[in-house]
Amino acid sequence: QKEVEQDPGPLSVPEGAIVSLNCTYSNSAFQYFMWYRQYSRKGPELLMYTYSSGNKEDGRFTAQVDKSSKYISLFIRDSQPSDSATYLCAMSPEGSSASKIIFGSGTRLSIRP
Amino acid sequence: DSGVTQTPKHLITATGQRVTLRCSPRSGDLSVYWYQQSLDQGLQFLIQYYNGEERAKGNILERFSAQQFPDLHSELNLSSLELGDSALYFCASSEQGASTDTQYFGPGTRLTVL
Repeated sequence: QKEVEQDPGPLSVPEGAIVSLNCTYSNSAFQYFMWYRQYSRKGPELLMYTYSSGNKEDGRFTAQVDKSSKYISLFIRDSQPSDSATYLCAMSPEGSSASKIIFGSGTRLSIRP
Repeated sequence: DSGVTQTPKHLITATGQRVTLRCSPRSGDLSVYWYQQSLDQGLQFLIQYYNGEERAKGNILERFSAQQFPDLHSELNLSSLELGDSALYFCASSEQGASTDTQYFGPGTRLTVL
């Protein structure tokens, strides 16, 4: 079993819909949670990060962490065609080096105009 | 544009060959990371350098090696290439090397081994 599980999709939704992307994990030591966006033929770029549990909002994006369920989510409101990309979750233990970051395999998202 | 550059963009080579991938980090970043991304394995950490010194190793094969030079650019050497080495190779850089540092990824090198 992988430490981080992410549904690869593809997920296709109409423009304006609310999108929910999720990851589950098994390592209870994970404290730092990230979401990366990767456009086709580009490198990943950090979208959002959160520490421990709770929510964090940035514009149309909300990251949510539920440590009791070992489950993290990224919500995209009012989705736009420009949001079409692969979204990777990533996580690491607190105070660790970047080499300890574990990435999910990514969910491919397509927003239909 | 992340500020991280990688060359070449594409590389096509044959099994058994050796290739070198090059990465220039963002100005001021001391840490460089190499990742391999394939369809079935996702993004896999290979190796990290910090200010010229190896900091951490991940799932890097013995056929692969890397180094970071005094000007902080880095090279990833892949030898005795196999078909399974075909993948996207990303370089990333960050200011230091903590997991809380933002990593900035380059555009990647697509390696095809025939």
